[in-house]
Amino acid sequence: DPKIIQKPKYLVAVTGSEKILICEQYLGHNAMYWYRQSAKKPLEFMFSYSYQKLMDNQTASSRFQPQSSKKNHLDLQITALKPDDSATYFCASSQEGFNERLFFGHGTKLSVL
Amino acid sequence: AQSVTQPDARVTVSEGASLQLRCKYSYFGTPYLFWYVQYPRQGLQLLLKYYPGDPVVQGVNGFEAEFSKSNSSFHLRKASVHWSDWAVYFCAVSSHSNNRIFFGDGTQLVVKP
Repeated sequence: DPKIIQKPKYLVAVTGSEKILICEQYLGHNAMYWYRQSAKKPLEFMFSYSYQKLMDNQTASSRFQPQSSKKNHLDLQITALKPDDSATYFCASSQEGFNERLFFGHGTKLSVL
Repeated sequence: AQSVTQPDARVTVSEGASLQLRCKYSYFGTPYLFWYVQYPRQGLQLLLKYYPGDPVVQGVNGFEAEFSKSNSSFHLRKASVHWSDWAVYFCAVSSHSNNRIFFGDGTQLVVKP
């Protein structure tokens, strides 16, 4: 059974619309992350959360907003979608603390037309 | 600033042959290093990790990596490649100051029959 669930697996959106990518982890971890993978940048760190609080944000655009309604949830809201946002978005989690290994979900592949 | 460089975007080896995937890191101090593998349409999975200590680290599926401070390298090796090793391999370095892991651009491994 997958321990990190990302929904949906595939998502098609039109330019200018808004979408929410869902991530739930059942590993009991306190730290969660979002990464983006595209042809331009193979694996790009976006956000990290610890105990539901934002720890690190490397995403320049405010169109990307993580949302943590529960300890084991970290959703990603993307507004005013652009074709350049097309990528696979990976959610990950780890035990709290430095240098812990990351566990990744299978990703949500977003295509913006 | 910390970073990793994987100089080879693609490596092709014959099944049964030995393998080395290169990784160079940039880090002030002693780094924590990782190798992750990404199989098609899946998230990343940890192969092995290096914490300060023995420079040769054993991982899953017969993989190992050797840390070299003098060369700032952390190359991945396998004695005999199997067709199921066809995947993208990412080297990564962990920051001591926050819980962020920096990934290289990845190396696509192609296995010839």
